[in-house]
Amino acid sequence: RKEVEQDPGPFNVPEGATVAFNCTYSNSASQSFFWYRQDCRKEPKLLMSVYSSGNEDGRFTAQLNRASQYISLLIRDSKLSDSATYLCVVKGGSYIPTFGRGTSLIVHP
Amino acid sequence: NAGVTQTPKFRVLKTGQSMTLLCAQDMNHEYMYWYRQDPGMGLRLIHYSVGEGTTAKGEVPDGYNVSRLKKQNFLLGLESAAPSQTSVYFCASSPTLGTRDQPQHFGDGTRLSIL
Repeated sequence: RKEVEQDPGPFNVPEGATVAFNCTYSNSASQSFFWYRQDCRKEPKLLMSVYSSGNEDGRFTAQLNRASQYISLLIRDSKLSDSATYLCVVKGGSYIPTFGRGTSLIVHP
Repeated sequence: NAGVTQTPKFRVLKTGQSMTLLCAQDMNHEYMYWYRQDPGMGLRLIHYSVGEGTTAKGEVPDGYNVSRLKKQNFLLGLESAAPSQTSVYFCASSPTLGTRDQPQHFGDGTRLSIL
């Protein structure tokens, strides 16, 4: 089993839709979790950290489920500009992040 | 505020040539990383450094060497380039060991083609 797994997609949704991605991780000792966004041929950029209590930033909501070892990202009211690849990142005790392969989102008019 | 700067941005090499990729950060970060990204493979860690003068191997270190002589710079070397090293290379940095929740900051990448 890979350390961090994501559904590669693509998720193809219309503008205004709500879409959710999950990411599972295998190391139960993992302590820090992040979602990054990567546009085509660009560098990954931090979208948001994920906290145990869940957190929200505008249209984006991140959740952590330690019991089932997954994190999620919910995007409400999708915009064309949300089209990108979303990378899940997990850090364990070594402080070395492990990246998922990413989930591709395409928002169409 | 430059953040993480990678040079060069693009390079084409012939098989067997050598080159060095430079990563510089101005955020006083302790940790620095080199990744490669290939289609369908995601980001794979090549080498990393937890501080000036220290380096360690990541997931795919073969064919690469690194040096961290100054805290702000992390160099990635290819001694004898091979076509399999054609990729996009990203450098990243993150703050000190004690701040576990701190995310990484990335440079904008180096696109390297080996013919």
